[in-house]
Amino acid sequence: AQTVTQSQPEMSVQEAETVTLSCTYDTSESDYYLFWYKQPPSRQMILVIRQEAYKQQNATENRFSVNFQKAAKSFSLKISDSQLGDAAMYFCAYRATSNFGNEKLTFGTGTRLTIIP
Amino acid sequence: DAGVTQSPTHLIKTRGQQVTLRCSPKSGHDTVSWYQQALGQGPQFIFQYYEEEERQRGNFPDRFSGHQFPNYSSELNVNALLLGDSALYLCASSRWGSRTQYFGPGTRLTVL
Repeated sequence: AQTVTQSQPEMSVQEAETVTLSCTYDTSESDYYLFWYKQPPSRQMILVIRQEAYKQQNATENRFSVNFQKAAKSFSLKISDSQLGDAAMYFCAYRATSNFGNEKLTFGTGTRLTIIP
Repeated sequence: DAGVTQSPTHLIKTRGQQVTLRCSPKSGHDTVSWYQQALGQGPQFIFQYYEEEERQRGNFPDRFSGHQFPNYSSELNVNALLLGDSALYLCASSRWGSRTQYFGPGTRLTVL
């Protein structure tokens, strides 16, 4: 069974600084997707960034980028120029691609990010 | 373009009762998945519906059942509620086979 581990329950960063959130996963699959979702106090889960395992290039979305290390099964999220609106719970998630239409996401336990003004 | 919507926002039930939660997918989406998120935890996959059939199921008992309607909306039913069923229930929608799910705001269920 696939598992996702987020070893940092809480992180904090000064506004405008850079922070990195860690995620490791375990799978026997060769192809899969990895995601970072953000859940603010409003509870709505918002997609931050997505990485396809077959792509060697790390995904980037504006101030958000990932460091995907397939051999190490590591998938960290870097937030640059942190803003107050980045404060939220961040969840790392895994999804296999072995069965077409397989929608099941496996989530980690989350990292609560606090932005210090 | 409306995103994923869920109703109700909050719900309070007592042990042994039954509850129905509802989800309308994002426009253009035909697949709905349900997740349970206990306090302080990550979401856990309950099941997925496509073409009005349950396609995948997580490790949840038969007390959890669902339905998908021809307009792609979906219901989650939980029978014989237990205290441990208290959680945030999230609905996510997607187009069948696409890479990304979009989540609704959730329904907070409290079982007393």
